[in-house]
Amino acid sequence: KQEVTQIPAALSVPEGENLVLNCSFTDSAIYNLQWFRQDPGKGLTSLLLIQSSQREQTSGRLNASLDKSSGRSTLYIAASQPGDSATYLCAVRDNYGQNFVFGPGTRLSVLP
Amino acid sequence: SQTIHQWPATLVQPVGSPLSLECTVEGTSNPNLYWYRQAAGRGLQLLFYSVGIGQISSEVPQNLSASRPQDRQFILSSKKLLLSDSGFYLCAWSEALIGSYEQYFGPGTRLTVT
Repeated sequence: KQEVTQIPAALSVPEGENLVLNCSFTDSAIYNLQWFRQDPGKGLTSLLLIQSSQREQTSGRLNASLDKSSGRSTLYIAASQPGDSATYLCAVRDNYGQNFVFGPGTRLSVLP
Repeated sequence: SQTIHQWPATLVQPVGSPLSLECTVEGTSNPNLYWYRQAAGRGLQLLFYSVGIGQISSEVPQNLSASRPQDRQFILSSKKLLLSDSGFYLCAWSEALIGSYEQYFGPGTRLTVT
C-alpha cells in the first residue's frame, strides 16, 4: 500500500528566502507525482506535475524534482513571498489504477 | 478552458439527515471524476472515482454513495449522516485518455454534521 509523507509538517521563513519542501513515497511504481497548494478553506491548486519518466519540472519560481528510485520529490521555492503562505501537498498516482495518494502537507508561512 | 463547480459551498446538517453534494465540470468531455474528503487534521482521502457514466468505484467503505448520472456531473449522497461525516469535500477531475492524468480540484463543500 502506497504511503506518502511530507517533511517538515510546518515551516516559517522570512520573505526572500529560498526553501525546499520534501515528499517521500514508499512504492516507486508511480505513474506521476503532482504538487498542489491549498489556501485555508479553499480547494487545491495544481502547481506542477512530474511524469514518472521526468526528473524535474519548473514553473516560475517553483522547481519540482523527482527521484523515483529513492521515492523522493522536492519542491524548491525561490525568493519566497508572503503570498506563498499556504499548505503544500504532494500526491502520487500509482501504475495500478486511478488511486491518487496524498501526503499530509507542509504548512508554509512566509513572514514579511 | 475547463472549470469545475461544487455546491453548496457550506452545509450544516443534523445527524441522520440525508445528503446530496453536486459537482459539475465544464469544458471537457468524458473526464475521470473523483470525490475526496479532508477531515480536520487529516490528509485527503479518496472516497469514489468514476471513469464514465454509471461507473463508480469506492475506495473506502462508509455510509456514503456516489452517482454519475451525466458525463460531467458527479453526486455524493448519504441516506443518514453520521457525526464522522463532517469534513471538507472536494471534487476533482482529470483527463480520461492516457496522458498526464493531472488532477484539477473544485472549491470544495464544508459539511458540518451536528
